[in-house]
Amino acid sequence: GENVEQHPSTLSVQEGDSAVIKCTYSDSASNYFPWYKQELGKRPQLIIDIRSNVGEKKDQRIAVTLNKTAKHFSLHITETQPEDSAVYFCAAIKTMEYGNKLVFGAGTILRVKS
Amino acid sequence: DSGVTQTPKHLITATGQRVTLRCSPRSGDLSVYWYQQSLDQGLQFLIHYYNGEERAKGNILERFSAQQFPDLHSELNLSSLELGDSALYFCASSAGLAGGSPQETQYFGPGTRLLVL
Repeated sequence: GENVEQHPSTLSVQEGDSAVIKCTYSDSASNYFPWYKQELGKRPQLIIDIRSNVGEKKDQRIAVTLNKTAKHFSLHITETQPEDSAVYFCAAIKTMEYGNKLVFGAGTILRVKS
Repeated sequence: DSGVTQTPKHLITATGQRVTLRCSPRSGDLSVYWYQQSLDQGLQFLIHYYNGEERAKGNILERFSAQQFPDLHSELNLSSLELGDSALYFCASSAGLAGGSPQETQYFGPGTRLLVL
């Protein structure tokens, strides 16, 4: 079945440094790739997403890149701040005939040290 | 606040029991998704409903079922509960303007924390 591998499982960076989280998916029919940020005890929140016909998307300090050939996509956070500390999940979504099937990565715990 | 509400916030029950979790989507949203988040399984997609119809299933056990009512709220029914069903259950909604397109932002509810003893 569909599988999404996410690395690293934990990431510790110094404030101001960049953070990169990588995901690899198995189903080439996946066509939409959102990233979620989840703070402790809170709900996941969408931070950025990318469609399969786009190679890169940027929103201020956050960017996502997609390599469809290699079936991997990455989240890049620049100039990290302590409030970026959270768990980040990637997901790959495939549009089925009538609905959408989602598979999440296992998550990355990002810690930004000040 | 995402506009998605879930009740109850916490639920403690015993093995073998049945519970119902409720989700009210954002006003006007037609799509509802259910997710299970546990420590060992991570975030798992369970099921997608669009305008009252089941549209896609993920890793949902046969002991679990869901439905979306005419007023668009949704319920997730968990029966014959086992210890391993203890988890945080989220629902999320999206507009569904494009017939349930996956490329619409999903807004998550606060979750229901289920503890099976």
